[in-house]
Amino acid sequence: GAVVSQHPSWVICKSGTSVKIECRSLDFQATTMFWYRQFPKQSLMLMATSNEGSKATYEQGVEKDKFLINHASLTLSTLTVTSAHPEDSSFYICSARDQAGIGSPLHFGNGTRLTVT
Amino acid sequence: KQEVTQIPAALSVPEGENLVLNCSFTDSAIYNLQWFRQDPGKGLTSLLLIQSSQREQTSGRLNASLDKSSGRSTLYIAASQPGDSATYLCAVLHSGNTPLVFGKGTRLSVIA
Repeated sequence: GAVVSQHPSWVICKSGTSVKIECRSLDFQATTMFWYRQFPKQSLMLMATSNEGSKATYEQGVEKDKFLINHASLTLSTLTVTSAHPEDSSFYICSARDQAGIGSPLHFGNGTRLTVT
Repeated sequence: KQEVTQIPAALSVPEGENLVLNCSFTDSAIYNLQWFRQDPGKGLTSLLLIQSSQREQTSGRLNASLDKSSGRSTLYIAASQPGDSATYLCAVLHSGNTPLVFGKGTRLSVIA
């Protein structure tokens, strides 16, 4: 089945530094990838929609200059948390849908646990 | 705006029991509904996908039903096992290539 690989699985960084998270679709092409964030005991909240070759669409309340998204190819999207602060500590998950399957299941990466000290 | 609610928020049952998890959504004009499992600190595993034209889907001990007109779905787990302990998330897709909207999940504990 379709696989989405997310890297790293966990990262600890100091306040003020930047962290890049990669999301790859391994056996399918994804024109659109979605980035979610999950705080403890909360549901997944959509942060942004990443479109290959164009600018990402951010949800209300998500700072686009802080969470930089690049979707340079049909198999790779990256999320960079810039100038990270402790309140950015969260679980970040990406998802992707096979470009040929509108309405087909979304496939999720295993997530990245970010801890900012 | 679509809102997804899951009841109960947490559930603890003895091993072997059959159980039902509930999901409701406010906008019945959905494309499909998906149930996921999430283990602590892990990503999501897709369990069942029900298209808007379908009434139910089954996979092993899991059965998910969909009543689109009333905005409800249930996930039925038969003969629960300790390995079923996880958070179960319900999510709906409104249309086309839009993102999923998630409920807050039900944390299930199956006690041996």
